Amino acid sequence: GDSVTQMEGPVTLSEEAFLTINCTYTATGYPSLFWYVQYPGEGLQLLLKATKADDKGSNKGFEATYRKETTSFHLEKGSVQVSDSAVYFCALSAPLRGTASKLTFGTGTRLQVTL
Amino acid sequence: GAVVSQHPSWVICKSGTSVKIECRSLDFQATTMFWYRQFPKQSLMLMATSNEGSKATYEQGVEKDKFLINHASLTLSTLTVTSAHPEDSSFYICSASQFSYNEQFFGPGTRLTVL
Repeated sequence: GDSVTQMEGPVTLSEEAFLTINCTYTATGYPSLFWYVQYPGEGLQLLLKATKADDKGSNKGFEATYRKETTSFHLEKGSVQVSDSAVYFCALSAPLRGTASKLTFGTGTRLQVTL
Repeated sequence: GAVVSQHPSWVICKSGTSVKIECRSLDFQATTMFWYRQFPKQSLMLMATSNEGSKATYEQGVEKDKFLINHASLTLSTLTVTSAHPEDSSFYICSASQFSYNEQFFGPGTRLTVL
């Protein structure tokens, strides 16, 4: 079945450091790929997405490129801020004909940014 | 963007009682709603998928008689945890999807504590 593997956390960085959170996936067909962010005590918010190979999703300085050849969707940000501290989830969606898509999530990576 | 609300945001109940959680799509019609459970520091586990006007489809290992899901309208789904026990304590998150879109919009979650 479909699965998502992302690097374990927590990841602790100083403000303005470069961030990479690795994510790889296994899926049949051509899934869409997502990064969600969860701030403390809140639900998930879509951060960015990509729907086909070589697409780059971007939002709020975060980027991720859909790499079909390596089945990866790594999240990057050039300069993190304290406000980026949250849990980040990589996910995929492989739509089935006639149904809404199920999301398969990775285990989440906690990011802690310090001054 | 699409907004999904959940009510209540948190609830504390005694063991043996039943608790109902509501999930509403505020500005769009949700053909499909999903219910997830999140354990501390872990990923989201899909419990069930509900389509408006039909019975919910439960994931393997989820007791349908324990977790009753109703999706009576295009804007409201409810999850009832029947005869709750301390092991049912968790963070429950719903999401909503329009049939033609490959995206789920998440509610803020409900924290259930069973004493």
